[in-house]
Amino acid sequence: EAQVTQNPRYLITVTGKKLTVTCSQNMNHEYMSWYRQDPGLGLRQIYYSMNVEVTDKGDVPEGYKVSRKEKRNFPLILESPSPNQTSLYFCASSPLVVSSSPLHFGNGTRLTVT
Amino acid sequence: QKEVEQDPGPLSVPEGAIVSLNCTYSNSAFQYFMWYRQYSRKGPELLMYTYSSGNKEDGRFTAQVDKSSKYISLFIRDSQPSDSATYLCAMSAPQGKLIFGQGTELSVKP
Repeated sequence: EAQVTQNPRYLITVTGKKLTVTCSQNMNHEYMSWYRQDPGLGLRQIYYSMNVEVTDKGDVPEGYKVSRKEKRNFPLILESPSPNQTSLYFCASSPLVVSSSPLHFGNGTRLTVT
Repeated sequence: QKEVEQDPGPLSVPEGAIVSLNCTYSNSAFQYFMWYRQYSRKGPELLMYTYSSGNKEDGRFTAQVDKSSKYISLFIRDSQPSDSATYLCAMSAPQGKLIFGQGTELSVKP
C-alpha cells in the first residue's frame, strides 16, 4: 500500500530533550515536507526537500532540523524542544517538485513538550 | 491579512443537507486550487483539484473557483455522517508555494 509513515504517533517529552520524528514514504516521491498544524493557524510548512541532500526552510523553521540522506526518509529533529513546539506534525510527499502537485500526508505525530 | 482565509466553523448540518464551504484569497497569481479532507486523528487527503476558474464535479462534491472574486467553494450534496471531517482549502501560484486555509470543521448529524 502506498503510504507515508510517521513515528511515533504520540510523544510527550520535556524541554531540552532532543527528539527525532521519523518519516518514510514508499512511493519513490522526489518531494517531501514537514508541516505543523495548530488551531486557528492551519498547516504551516517547517522544512521541505526536493531531492536527496537538498533541503530548504519553510515558513516556520526555527528550532527544527531535517536531513534527506535517502529518498524515502525525511526525519524531523528537535535539538532542544520548547513548549511552543507542542503541536500536531505532518510529513507529506509528492511525486513532483512543484507546488501544484498534490501532497500525500502521513497520519501525524502529536507532540507535547512540558 | 492572511493570504488565504477560511471560516473555521464548526459547521453542523443535518444528514442530507447541501453544504457550502468557502475560502477567500488575496493573491491574484493563484492558479491551482485544492480541497483536502482530514478525518479525526488522520492526515489530510486530497479531495478535489481545480486549475484556474470554473467548476469541477466528482460524485456528490463540486469545487467552484471564481477568480474575479478571489473566492473558492466546495459544495457537498446529500451530505452524510461520513462526510464529518475538517476541510482545508489550499492554493498556489505557478512556481509558488502551497498555502493552506485554516480548515473548516464539519459535522453531519444523522
